[in-house]
Amino acid sequence: GESVGLHLPTLSVQEGDNSIINCAYSNSASDYFIWYKQESGKGPQFIIDIRSNMDKRQGQRVTVLLNKTVKHLSLQIAATQPGDSAVYFCAENTGNAGNMLTFGGGTRLMVKP
Amino acid sequence: DSGVTQTPKHLITATGQRVTLRCSPRSGDLSVYWYQQSLDQGLQFLIQYYNGEERAKGNILERFSAQQFPDLHSELNLSSLELGDSALYFCASSARLAALTGELFFGEGSRLTVL
Repeated sequence: GESVGLHLPTLSVQEGDNSIINCAYSNSASDYFIWYKQESGKGPQFIIDIRSNMDKRQGQRVTVLLNKTVKHLSLQIAATQPGDSAVYFCAENTGNAGNMLTFGGGTRLMVKP
Repeated sequence: DSGVTQTPKHLITATGQRVTLRCSPRSGDLSVYWYQQSLDQGLQFLIQYYNGEERAKGNILERFSAQQFPDLHSELNLSSLELGDSALYFCASSARLAALTGELFFGEGSRLTVL
């Protein structure tokens, strides 16, 4: 079945550098993608979303890029801070009427001081 | 604080037993979702309710059931527990259906350990 997957399980970056977390999806009919952040001991927290009629969306220090041609999306975090250390998940809405959110396997971001 | 409350936070039980996990959504949210998070399966969608009605179902085992009550709180019932059911169970809520918004508000989870 269709699934959302992540390229790298762990990403280590220096504080102040930019981080890029990648995600691939297999369902070309997917039209809505979301990024979540999960800190240790907490539930996932919404970061940003993007619909398939866009290829880029910016938030505060974060940018999501969507490449529908290769079915790939990425989350870019500018000037990465220690507080950004967490597991990042991409998700897509799937299922009947799009009411299921299917999460990828997650990438752990580690920020070195 | 997401505004979603889950109880209990931790639960240890034995194989074959039955447990009930409880979720209170954010005030005003009509949608409630249940997810299972384990090391080897990541975040797996179980089931979703909207204003008391089931709206989407994932790979939820027949031993598991859920419901949403008129006051919008939800319960996830896990029966005939097996070792493999040990996991974090998250509840999330949203004001609208996931088809319209992917912004779910997650609770801190209930950690179930089956011995």
